[in-house]
Amino acid sequence: SAVISQKPSRDICQRGTSLTIQCQVDSQVTMMFWYRQQPGQSLTLIATANQGSEATYESGFVIDKFPISRPNLTFSTLTVSNMSPEDSSIYLCSVLQGNSIEQFFGPGTRLTVL
Amino acid sequence: KQEVTQIPAALSVPEGENLVLNCSFTDSAIYNLQWFRQDPGKGLTSLLLIQSSQREQTSGRLNASLDKSSGRSTLYIAASQPGDSATYLCAVSKAGSARQLTFGSGTQLTVLP
Repeated sequence: SAVISQKPSRDICQRGTSLTIQCQVDSQVTMMFWYRQQPGQSLTLIATANQGSEATYESGFVIDKFPISRPNLTFSTLTVSNMSPEDSSIYLCSVLQGNSIEQFFGPGTRLTVL
Repeated sequence: KQEVTQIPAALSVPEGENLVLNCSFTDSAIYNLQWFRQDPGKGLTSLLLIQSSQREQTSGRLNASLDKSSGRSTLYIAASQPGDSATYLCAVSKAGSARQLTFGSGTQLTVLP
């Protein structure tokens, strides 16, 4: 399976600022996704990161709040913009590799907004 | 809209016990079901994946079953160990797509030494 890393692993940010989270994979992958896990809750899909084009967002998530880039087949970024305490969550990237249907997840980024 | 439920929300057992975690889903038109493990503050580790055409999958002490028609899956853990303590999540993907995973809220398992 692919080895996935995320940076930063955790951060504490002030309200109104923005944070960019990086997801790096050690091999080319077919698809990359971003999920959010709010405290005490399960994971919710934010968007699919499309290589070379705009991300596909799920209902309730918008590009202005969560801009996503995917410049190549091994790297993606998620920015959490104009943060509020409600954005405090763990943000995880996941990947699908080749023709596999099994998703693998990164270690997550724990974000706390004060 | 697919909804995934996991029961119980929390479970505490003594070491050595066999246990079953339950997962149910409302829309049986799934592509696959995946069980994950999440340690506190960490990411997810994939445990088992069952395709919609399969009935069960096994890996070591873990066995997952799928009854698509009734919208149910179980994860059986044999001879539990304290290292098995974690939150277990099940997730299903839509028929025709392996992409979108809908997650349950998880079962928090504690195995007491």
